[in-house]
Amino acid sequence: NAGVTQTPKFRVLKTGQSMTLLCAQDMNHEYMYWYRQDPGMGLRLIHYSVGEGTTAKGEVPDGYNVSRLKKQNFLLGLESAAPSQTSVYFCASSRRTSGGMTQYFGPGTRLLVL
Amino acid sequence: GQQVMQIPQYQHVQEGEDFTTYCNSSTTLSNIQWYKQRPGGHPVFLIQLVKSGEVKKQKRLTFQFGEAKKNSSLHITATQTTDVGTYFCAGGNYGGATNKLIFGTGTLLAVQP
Repeated sequence: NAGVTQTPKFRVLKTGQSMTLLCAQDMNHEYMYWYRQDPGMGLRLIHYSVGEGTTAKGEVPDGYNVSRLKKQNFLLGLESAAPSQTSVYFCASSRRTSGGMTQYFGPGTRLLVL
Repeated sequence: GQQVMQIPQYQHVQEGEDFTTYCNSSTTLSNIQWYKQRPGGHPVFLIQLVKSGEVKKQKRLTFQFGEAKKNSSLHITATQTTDVGTYFCAGGNYGGATNKLIFGTGTLLAVQP
């Protein structure tokens, strides 16, 4: 099993450009998440999904959109990139449970917006 | 909104010294998880605590969940250079149909050989 994979690993954008980050998991997990990590800020939840075809806003959703057309994939889109979106983006997935469950993280995408 | 704070933000120790990081939530948690992130890597799950006052050990690591389920700690005995990284706590809420976690700000541990 590859676990959680992310594409691309690194990207440089100019202000105003758009891009899509792809997250894929092969563990048949229902839940998927997108986080951003900035120095001194920990991990902040952008959007999440509790199942195929469903998405919801997290803590910092502005400037991002997501889609979950297939259970194994969770896409994060930036329609018009801004320098404030320079960050490391992590995708994670977990099984459905009411008791709390491990989140498995991908390797991250490092994004620089100039 | 709910906040999870961690202290200290950074700690530098000599190899062999002990290390502790503390996690405090503004609200009662249903569970708390701890993750470790090596430099340049991604967070990796270490452990989950669910019960009030629970204590769990993993070799040199001891994890505690407070009686009020609002705080937690991670203690490492006799640190090694392999312990280097950032340690995050993450709190889950009751009624967590989404399994969402609120991550703490993390504690970066540096270990000098």
